[in-house]
Amino acid sequence: NAGVTQTPKFQVLKTGQSMTLQCAQDMNHEYMSWYRQDPGMGLRLIHYSVGAGITDQGEVPNGYNVSRSTTEDFPLRLLSAAPSQTSVYFCASSYSPGVSGNTIYFGEGSWLTVV
Amino acid sequence: KQEVTQIPAALSVPEGENLVLNCSFTDSAIYNLQWFRQDPGKGLTSLLLIQSSQREQTSGRLNASLDKSSGRSTLYIAASQPGDSATYLCAVPVGGYQKVTFGTGTKLQVIP
Repeated sequence: NAGVTQTPKFQVLKTGQSMTLQCAQDMNHEYMSWYRQDPGMGLRLIHYSVGAGITDQGEVPNGYNVSRSTTEDFPLRLLSAAPSQTSVYFCASSYSPGVSGNTIYFGEGSWLTVV
Repeated sequence: KQEVTQIPAALSVPEGENLVLNCSFTDSAIYNLQWFRQDPGKGLTSLLLIQSSQREQTSGRLNASLDKSSGRSTLYIAASQPGDSATYLCAVPVGGYQKVTFGTGTKLQVIP
């Protein structure tokens, strides 16, 4: 059981370039989300999805795009990279968050540097 | 807006000591609270989940308590070991169940 798999682990981008961070889970989870983690800021929610075909914005969605065509995959797209997007990105999944209180599983993270 | 605070930001203790990590939240209408551990360069691993109807949960040397009325949760680690060194984060659902807010974490160092 692979859990939540993120790729790439490390990436360096030039300002203005676009790229996609991949996230896949093999646990048949309905809920998937993307966070960024910055020093002193904690984890901040970028986008989330409660099922295939359904996505919504989190706390810091600007500059990012997502889609959920399958239950397993939830890619995060950086449309035009900016230095402010230098961060560590985490993908997470669970059966359903909050009310039912299912455990949230995290990927290992993707370190992104924009120069 | 739900705000989650963890104090202290960093803690250093000698091996064998019992310790308490604190988590405070501003909106007491929560459904549950989770404690996570994050090792350097790694993702988060769930340690304990406390439902709103529960007051505490235990797993091995870890015990988490929840007091909704005061907006507080504590994570108690008994007989700390160097392997416990990590950052510990708490998290609560926000505005329903689709979103989760995390605290900024407490970085724990257990000195041999």
